[in-house]
Amino acid sequence: GAGVSQSPSNKVTEKGKDVELRCDPISGHTALYWYRQSLGQGLEFLIYFQGNSAPDKSGLPSDRFSAERTGGSVSTLTIQRTQQEDSAVYLCASSLVGGETQYFGPGTRLTVL
Amino acid sequence: KQEVTQIPAALSVPEGENLVLNCSFTDSAIYNLQWFRQDPGKGLTSLLLIQSSQREQTSGRLNASLDKSSGRSTLYIAASQPGDSATYLCAARPNAGNNRKLIWGLGTSLAVNP
Repeated sequence: GAGVSQSPSNKVTEKGKDVELRCDPISGHTALYWYRQSLGQGLEFLIYFQGNSAPDKSGLPSDRFSAERTGGSVSTLTIQRTQQEDSAVYLCASSLVGGETQYFGPGTRLTVL
Repeated sequence: KQEVTQIPAALSVPEGENLVLNCSFTDSAIYNLQWFRQDPGKGLTSLLLIQSSQREQTSGRLNASLDKSSGRSTLYIAASQPGDSATYLCAARPNAGNNRKLIWGLGTSLAVNP
């Protein structure tokens, strides 16, 4: 079956522009996670969605970052007024409710010039 | 505050060698510890998960151990193959209610040379 997919695979943008990153989780997975992986740093938790519950946004680094999950499936991570320090690989993962194993997408490499 | 450290940062070995990757964590109060593999352009793949009550888990040529008291986990790879070349990450789950906030190491980049 299909795994977690993310688009675009690469995104280059200019400082100050807004970007949207998309994640399609595995069908039937109710939990969805966004992470950021910066050069030389470990994965950084950003946000977590679980079913219809309010998302855990505690990992978002600033109010320029937001995420939505429509219909309990596809999720979009939006970064407004991008800064050079936002350059990183953004990873999405999904899991079954209460599941221990997170299944990761291939990531979106964001470069802010 | 939980911190996860992995050593070595990089490792290069000839094909066929048995090898050990190390992961240490500062707070022994973990719920479980997971090992992942990261291939360029392909995201992360979960390899092994060890619950806090377990000592080890095995899958094929991989064996992961957990020693909570010393704050250590090791990933043993037997008879390494070029296809094992990847970055290996360990992640600690702090407690039962916080699955989403795994604490990650920086990884060990492994190259297995034919």
